[in-house]
Amino acid sequence: ETGVTQSPTHLIKTRGQQVTLRCSSQSGHNTVSWYQQALGQGPQFIFQYYREEENGRGNFPPRFSGLQFPNYSSELNVNALELDDSALYLCASSLAVAGASNEQFFGPGTRLTVL
Amino acid sequence: DAKTTQPPSMDCAEGRAANLPCNHSTISGNEYVYWYRQIHSQGPQYIIHGLKNNETNEMASLIITEDRKSSTLILPHATLRDTAVYYCIVRPYSNSGYALNFGKGTSLLVTP
Repeated sequence: ETGVTQSPTHLIKTRGQQVTLRCSSQSGHNTVSWYQQALGQGPQFIFQYYREEENGRGNFPPRFSGLQFPNYSSELNVNALELDDSALYLCASSLAVAGASNEQFFGPGTRLTVL
Repeated sequence: DAKTTQPPSMDCAEGRAANLPCNHSTISGNEYVYWYRQIHSQGPQYIIHGLKNNETNEMASLIITEDRKSSTLILPHATLRDTAVYYCIVRPYSNSGYALNFGKGTSLLVTP
């Protein structure tokens, strides 16, 4: 059983650029959530995808968007990058099944630096 | 979701029990208490969760007070590898997706 993987591990962009981060879910999981973690803070929920549809969103602007593919992998896209977008971006997968406790399993994250 | 309050930092000697408190005085009847931890430069890791009964697994024990307004995560024999930020989160139990509302957590330092 493979865990959650994310790519790339590190990324440097400049203000105004666009970025795409990728996440592969743990085998058998159908739900993917994305979180942003600024330095010294706890992770903040961006949005969640379940069966290729957005299933909840945190307080993030529309320039943060996502996709989930039929194999349940996912992408996070951020347009018009700002300096404050510099953070660790975490992907978490889970299995949404009635009666299950639905623990989220996190990947190692992608460190994004915006200059 | 109910808000939680945790001390910002704690120390523990290696081999001793680490007791991490969490206050969640506004918890609702259908909300569970979850604990995650985050070792430096890694993604958060699930530890344990419970509703009203005490729970134990291979990693830790969770003690929830009878009124459910507070809980304690116990690491029975802390090791240096337990140094991490520990997050206490309350959320409804759901068979669909959910968001985890992390606070700032407790930074636990285990010393030799």
